[in-house]
Amino acid sequence: DGGITQSPKYLFRKEGQNVTLSCEQNLNHDAMYWYRQDPGQGLRLIYYSQIVNDFQKGDIAEGYSVSREKKESFPLTVTSAQKNPTAFYLCASTSDGRKEKLFFGSGTQLSVL
Amino acid sequence: SQQGEEDPQALSIQEGENATMNCSYKTSINNLQWYRQNSGRGLVHLILIRSNEREKHSGRLRVTLDTSKKSSSLLITASRAADTASYFCALGSSGSRLTFGEGTQLTVNP
Repeated sequence: DGGITQSPKYLFRKEGQNVTLSCEQNLNHDAMYWYRQDPGQGLRLIYYSQIVNDFQKGDIAEGYSVSREKKESFPLTVTSAQKNPTAFYLCASTSDGRKEKLFFGSGTQLSVL
Repeated sequence: SQQGEEDPQALSIQEGENATMNCSYKTSINNLQWYRQNSGRGLVHLILIRSNEREKHSGRLRVTLDTSKKSSSLLITASRAADTASYFCALGSSGSRLTFGEGTQLTVNP
């Protein structure tokens, strides 16, 4: 089945630790996105990538980093510089340049120990 | 980037009733999309309406767009308990970003 796979479903971070969230898609989509969702809130864009080896900052990129070495993979690293990382992280992808329909993964809940 | 503002924040209805939620925005858009999110899950695309369209239907869903008032509404007819979820509007503008509102939490009571 085609889709977007996020792992792990739950992740815990210790003080000062970097953690990496995985996002893999087999939809052959060019564009991929990372969003952060806080409880009862909408989605805020962290980073996006329209093509391999290229990515742009979204609205809340500070404390996060990404890479796009392969079309199907767009991992997100939450660095120790992100002081409030507890949130639900959603990865999405789309095939078209007009961004008319995003496909989402099932999310990763990150909590701080 | 602009964000849609949704109203109401929460809506509770009985099964069989209709549910209406609204989204307002401030600057021009190319399209407006609606997504559903079940608790603890990813979002699912429901319907897209372009800026030159006024109304679209998909099954029990009806979306309207009034560009003069910069607002959209999502109507779910004959609601079911399985429709319980958060519903988000998303604004498609020129450029690469799609921005989401804060959502309406719909509860359909059996």
